[in-house]
Amino acid sequence: DSGVTQTPKHLITATGQRVTLRCSPRSGDLSVYWYQQSLDQGLQFLIQYYNGEERAKGNILERFSAQQFPDLHSELNLSSLELGDSALYFCASSVAPAPLIGSSYEQYFGPGTRLTVT
Amino acid sequence: GESVGLHLPTLSVQEGDNSIINCAYSNSASDYFIWYKQESGKGPQFIIDIRSNMDKRQGQRVTVLLNKTVKHLSLQIAATQPGDSAVYFCAENRRGDNAGNMLTFGGGTRLMVKP
Repeated sequence: DSGVTQTPKHLITATGQRVTLRCSPRSGDLSVYWYQQSLDQGLQFLIQYYNGEERAKGNILERFSAQQFPDLHSELNLSSLELGDSALYFCASSVAPAPLIGSSYEQYFGPGTRLTVT
Repeated sequence: GESVGLHLPTLSVQEGDNSIINCAYSNSASDYFIWYKQESGKGPQFIIDIRSNMDKRQGQRVTVLLNKTVKHLSLQIAATQPGDSAVYFCAENRRGDNAGNMLTFGGGTRLMVKP
């Protein structure tokens, strides 16, 4: 158990709908990351937050948005869902926002949310 | 469990043998590299990391080698055990614009350990 929790575990929804995925980081971790894992694209970085602020953006679609709240949990919102959005969505957390000397940058991954769009 | 990828390269080894998993990375500016292990139905699990100013780092039964000249990373697992069967990903870290960081993952290698 990594200490990162994600809900829900499974989500089945229809095209055009909107869903929210939730992540609670490990206690003490300030940085949260979202990743998408699909069969054809592999594991892709979406976005990073550190202490409530967006820090880095990867291949995140405009239909997707995220935020990190004052209690450090994070939510990933996916809207106007398409069949191709079906994937595993992982959240990860780390103490430091970057591989700084003397700080642990190890990213701990949650168990993921499996999203199926029908 | 979920299938991570249908067409992953596969390395099949005998229990007790050493395993070497290779990875080519793309960006010479990457400053930090990580190996992750992903078992079926689980999230990636950190194995070992290495900074770009090093060329070798050892952990418990694992060693990571970094060759910056040819942008190549390898993971060596000593005395491979059935519990090592999983998909292994390398990842390179790059700095973003706003002091953030992003990991770019390789496609993964499936390690199968035969008893």
